[in-house]
Amino acid sequence: DGGITQSPKYLFRKEGQNVTLSCEQNLNHDAMYWYRQDPGQGLRLIYYSQIVNDFQKGDIAEGYSVSREKKESFPLTVTSAQKNPTAFYLCASSTSSGGSRETQYFGPGTRLLVL
Amino acid sequence: RKEVEQDPGPFNVPEGATVAFNCTYSNSASQSFFWYRQDCRKEPKLLMSVYSSGNEDGRFTAQLNRASQYISLLIRDSKLSDSATYLCVVIPGGSYIPTFGRGTSLIVHP
Repeated sequence: DGGITQSPKYLFRKEGQNVTLSCEQNLNHDAMYWYRQDPGQGLRLIYYSQIVNDFQKGDIAEGYSVSREKKESFPLTVTSAQKNPTAFYLCASSTSSGGSRETQYFGPGTRLLVL
Repeated sequence: RKEVEQDPGPFNVPEGATVAFNCTYSNSASQSFFWYRQDCRKEPKLLMSVYSSGNEDGRFTAQLNRASQYISLLIRDSKLSDSATYLCVVIPGGSYIPTFGRGTSLIVHP
């Protein structure tokens, strides 16, 4: 079955540690996105990528980094510069970046907790 | 004014009730609108797109009012399984990046 996978489901980070969240899709989607969701809050865009080897900052990119070396993969690194990383991280993809009606499909998410 | 606003609720309704949510948006040039459903501690899932002419999918009806800049979601004959948070999503004019509302919580009780 086609879909988006994220791993791990839960991730614990120690102070000063960088951690990487995995996102893989086999939907052949061009565009991929990373969101952060805090309790009772909406989704906030961290980074997005329209095409391989290209990505743009979203609304809250500080303390995060990404790469897009393959179409199907868009890993997110939470760096030690992100002082409040505890949140639910969601990866999404869509068929293209140009269509105005492109819906997004989400992975199951990763919960990041700080020890 | 926030780009996309929703009443957070919760809307607490009995089984079988009809309930409606509204979502207002600030960018008058917005072209694409969606409703997503998010269960507790799960990812959002597309419920339905919202078309200018309105659209219906079983017990769910979505409508767009461009003049007043809001979209609505009507749920008829509510089921216990409809309990979830409903997210309004708008793609602003001139962009392909969706903006999410904070969501409206629905609780359907026996």
